[in-house]
Amino acid sequence: DVKVTQSSRYLVKRTGEKVFLECVQDMDHENMFWYRQDPGLGLRLIYFSYDVKMKEKGDIPEGYSVSREKKERFSLILESASTNQTSMYLCASITSPGQGGNTIYFGEGSWLTVV
Amino acid sequence: GQSLEQPSEVTAVEGAIVQINCTYQTSGFYGLSWYQQHDGGAPTFLSYNALDGLEETGRFSSFLSRSDSYGYLLLQELQMKDSASYFCAVRDKNSGYSTLTFGKGTMLLVSP
Repeated sequence: DVKVTQSSRYLVKRTGEKVFLECVQDMDHENMFWYRQDPGLGLRLIYFSYDVKMKEKGDIPEGYSVSREKKERFSLILESASTNQTSMYLCASITSPGQGGNTIYFGEGSWLTVV
Repeated sequence: GQSLEQPSEVTAVEGAIVQINCTYQTSGFYGLSWYQQHDGGAPTFLSYNALDGLEETGRFSSFLSRSDSYGYLLLQELQMKDSASYFCAVRDKNSGYSTLTFGKGTMLLVSP
């Protein structure tokens, strides 16, 4: 059974703290994504990675960074958390178009509250 | 870039049929996907259309017309458990990195 695992389901952090959200997939997918989801705004892409050590900005990268040291792991980093980063964060992965398959697999989500 | 438009909310009764439309503006994409998300959960894959036409998977069907930049998700024999948000998504063909863009989602409310 394919799996995308997010390390933390619920977090509460203080303003200014550094926050790490970890995501691991076991499907050998090249492409991994971090989205945030807010009511009325849908899923917005923060960053994505198409290969190890490669990263590209999505639509809302400000205040975030990412790390992809291994193919299976994609981490989202909030260098200095702010209250407007309170949200639900979703990690996802998908294989490359040339490999066939167009199903994106999501993790269970990480609910982050910044106080 | 891409943009996808869907209605924000649709209501229906148990046993009915409902259609959720998705119109898009994109210069090129691999196909149109649909995802279901229950409150508090992660989105899960429902259907994918690479080619024009209708794809049927049980009670759910999805349709794509590239010439009309339009697709829809059709849910038949609605059940209470179908109350959820539904997202359409496209996989960009032009960026080289093949990102995924989602619509803002349609909340389906099924009543008895």
